[in-house]
Amino acid sequence: AQTVTQSQPEMSVQEAETVTLSCTYDTSESDYYLFWYKQPPSRQMILVIRQEAYKQQNATENRFSVNFQKAAKSFSLKISDSQLGDAAMYFCAYRSPGNQFYFGTGTSLTVIP
Amino acid sequence: SAVISQKPSRDICQRGTSLTIQCQVDSQVTMMFWYRQQPGQSLTLIATANQGSEATYESGFVIDKFPISRPNLTFSTLTVSNMSPEDSSIYLCSGKGGWEETQYFGPGTRLLVL
Repeated sequence: AQTVTQSQPEMSVQEAETVTLSCTYDTSESDYYLFWYKQPPSRQMILVIRQEAYKQQNATENRFSVNFQKAAKSFSLKISDSQLGDAAMYFCAYRSPGNQFYFGTGTSLTVIP
Repeated sequence: SAVISQKPSRDICQRGTSLTIQCQVDSQVTMMFWYRQQPGQSLTLIATANQGSEATYESGFVIDKFPISRPNLTFSTLTVSNMSPEDSSIYLCSGKGGWEETQYFGPGTRLLVL
């Protein structure tokens, strides 16, 4: 069965600094998608970034980038130049070829002014 | 991307009653899902809402407790039946278009059962 593990329940970062959130997953598939979602205190889940497993190039969206290590089944999220608005719960998610989504337990990110 | 709305945003209900949550998507999506999220916890998939047919439930969730309807491609309802305090949670609706690889979420419905 597919599982997604986020080993950091809580993280903090100084404003303007860089932070990396970890995620590992378990799968026997070769073609799949990985996502990072952000859930601010307002509760709306927002897509931050996604990665297609068949692409070797790491996805980047402005200040957000991933380090995708397919062989290691690792998918970490790097947030550069952290801002106060980045404070939220971050969920890593795996989407199987059969369109099933699996979510990690989340990492609560605090941004310190 | 899809914009998803949910009604109600929150409710307080008495034990033994039922609540129906509505989910509306602003564009057609091929797949709609219902999740439950305990405060500070991850998401647990309840079921996949299928248009015009019975929903597909995950292990631990049954139709009698969580009946789901999806009459068209943009609308779905989840009913939480015969509620108990253990049903207190956040219920999230999500949708995914066939051309999209991403799942989009509604703002959630916060339910408290007394």
